[in-house]
Amino acid sequence: DSGVTQTPKHLITATGQRVTLRCSPRSGDLSVYWYQQSLDQGLQFLIQYYNGEERAKGNILERFSAQQFPDLHSELNLSSLELGDSALYFCASSVGLGHYEQYFGPGTRLTVT
Amino acid sequence: GDSVTQMEGPVTLSEEAFLTINCTYTATGYPSLFWYVQYPGEGLQLLLKATKADDKGSNKGFEATYRKETTSFHLEKGSVQVSDSAVYFCALIKAGGNYQLIWGAGTKLIIKP
Repeated sequence: DSGVTQTPKHLITATGQRVTLRCSPRSGDLSVYWYQQSLDQGLQFLIQYYNGEERAKGNILERFSAQQFPDLHSELNLSSLELGDSALYFCASSVGLGHYEQYFGPGTRLTVT
Repeated sequence: GDSVTQMEGPVTLSEEAFLTINCTYTATGYPSLFWYVQYPGEGLQLLLKATKADDKGSNKGFEATYRKETTSFHLEKGSVQVSDSAVYFCALIKAGGNYQLIWGAGTKLIIKP
């Protein structure tokens, strides 16, 4: 158990809908990262937050957004969903900014039908 | 840009065989290097890391040495077990800038009893 929790574990929704994925980092970790894992694109970095502020953006679509709250949990919002958004979405946390280990949650499997 | 290249899988071995999974990287400066493992149906677990040249990371019988001269971080284990069957990902955090993980494509390892 990494100490990072993600909910829900599975999500099935229809095209055009909006969903919210939730992540709670390990106790004491200030950085949260979101990654997408899909069969065709592999693992890709989406976005990073540190202590409530956005720090870096990767290959995140404009339909996607995220935030980190004062209690350090984070939410990833995916809207106008398309079939191609079906993937595993992982949250990871680390103690701070730098070359620290990132600890991953169990992921949320999103299926768009 | 920075990238990670892993040997293609699947790699199929018999129990107690010697394992090598090749990983090479392209990056400026001195990235930190990681191996993560993903067991079937689970999230990503940090296996080992190395942060500077000639560092050796080790965990659970697995080892990898940071070779700057060959830009490599090959994963090795002397005697694999059926329980080692999983997908192994090599990744880096580049020097300077963002602290996102840049991933290899993953190598599926199958160990037969």
